[in-house]
Amino acid sequence: GAGVSQSPSNKVTEKGKDVELRCDPISGHTALYWYRQSLGQGLEFLIYFQGNSAPDKSGLPSDRFSAERTGGSVSTLTIQRTQQEDSAVYLCASSLGGRTPLSNQPQHFGDGTRLSIL
Amino acid sequence: AQKITQTQPGMFVQEKEAVTLDCTYDTSDPSYGLFWYKQPSSGEMIFLIYQGSYDQQNATEGRYSLNFQKARKSANLVISASQLGDSAMYFCAMRDGPRGTYKYIFGTGTRLKVLA
Repeated sequence: GAGVSQSPSNKVTEKGKDVELRCDPISGHTALYWYRQSLGQGLEFLIYFQGNSAPDKSGLPSDRFSAERTGGSVSTLTIQRTQQEDSAVYLCASSLGGRTPLSNQPQHFGDGTRLSIL
Repeated sequence: AQKITQTQPGMFVQEKEAVTLDCTYDTSDPSYGLFWYKQPSSGEMIFLIYQGSYDQQNATEGRYSLNFQKARKSANLVISASQLGDSAMYFCAMRDGPRGTYKYIFGTGTRLKVLA
């Protein structure tokens, strides 16, 4: 497809289980971001991949969270031993990721994965 | 450290009126980009408008314009002739380049309600 694709769109799981969320960015976009959005709140930055550079993991809330991006394309966000406070919408975005912040390169967002921890 | 501040958690505007949504930012980098996004209740994030730090003129896109005051570090979004469909959350974001990271940071958002 032409846009950022995220799967699953909804995930319900029991506390303590591991979950994997997938993001397929727009072809050619070198930058990929994961955000978390709790109900009615803003976007909480989680992790950022830019090309072959080491990812910026500064937003990951705990060591239960990890992400990888294989082949510079698809990314997987993994949450281990889920807790109820992990319940949120997880948004993925991609952009061209040029080497200057001055260029008009908006992020393109997926529809998100709504994660509910019982 | 970079920071985006949106001080208006909620705003109301009458249909067909103009409304200004505030955004201030803080960065030590001279090169940065400022973005506004709209998030309707359906949840998708929609890019609205962009302003580069060296742009001489304020950005405009249809009914959206950006009141960019560099010295004050503000980048307020102006929506003219508000429509009911403008009711949504609005996020201001900045992309700058400390240490070459060029990542985006977002404000906490402003919820706009357009009244009929």
